Amino acid sequence: EDKVVQSPLSLVVHEGDTVTLNCSYEVTNFRSLLWYKQEKKAPTFLFMLTSSGIEKKSGRLSSILDKKELFSILNITATQTGDSAVYLCAVEGASNRDDKIIFGKGTRLHILP
Amino acid sequence: EPEVTQTPSHQVTQMGQEVILRCVPISNHLYFYWYRQILGQKVEFLVSFYNNEISEKSEIFDDQFSVERPDGSNFTLKIRSTKLEDSAMYFCASSISGASEYEQFFGPGTRLTVL
Repeated sequence: EDKVVQSPLSLVVHEGDTVTLNCSYEVTNFRSLLWYKQEKKAPTFLFMLTSSGIEKKSGRLSSILDKKELFSILNITATQTGDSAVYLCAVEGASNRDDKIIFGKGTRLHILP
Repeated sequence: EPEVTQTPSHQVTQMGQEVILRCVPISNHLYFYWYRQILGQKVEFLVSFYNNEISEKSEIFDDQFSVERPDGSNFTLKIRSTKLEDSAMYFCASSISGASEYEQFFGPGTRLTVL
């Protein structure tokens, strides 16, 4: 059964700390893994990862994919209160000629001032 | 574990036809959302719904789109006259609260193909 599992479910840290969010997956015919930040209603796109071992970076955020071990991590360094959000991992795959996207349940990150 | 369900999983329609995508949110959730993802692109917000009315909608959600909660369990997205560019995965989500600290639970999606 295809699935995406994120951990931890919830995380509370102090401003300035570094956090690592995890996403493991099992999906038929993997195509890509996506990270989103969800603060209010619509998820905001962060990264799309398709190749193993290549780190993608945007400011204090970075992410890497391991297609052998079937997981990805999202790192946030020097966290700020504005980083408080739910971080969603989604995996695109294909099964029986159908495209599918599976979302994880998200990690709720809360940054204390 | 409760989950959001969507039907159908895949729908193929002719351009100009009306389609209704159905969602059953988690039973004690009060806020409902529709998103879409055109193949190879990012997830886009369409609309949010609370207390039997639209609370927010994006530019994409034009007069061709409408949402409805016809009974106590279903939440539907109707596209009045489909266009080729409406082909996408449509995701329904629900949350217990509209506040940002409450995560949304996503359904498995409906793949809409417009020919």
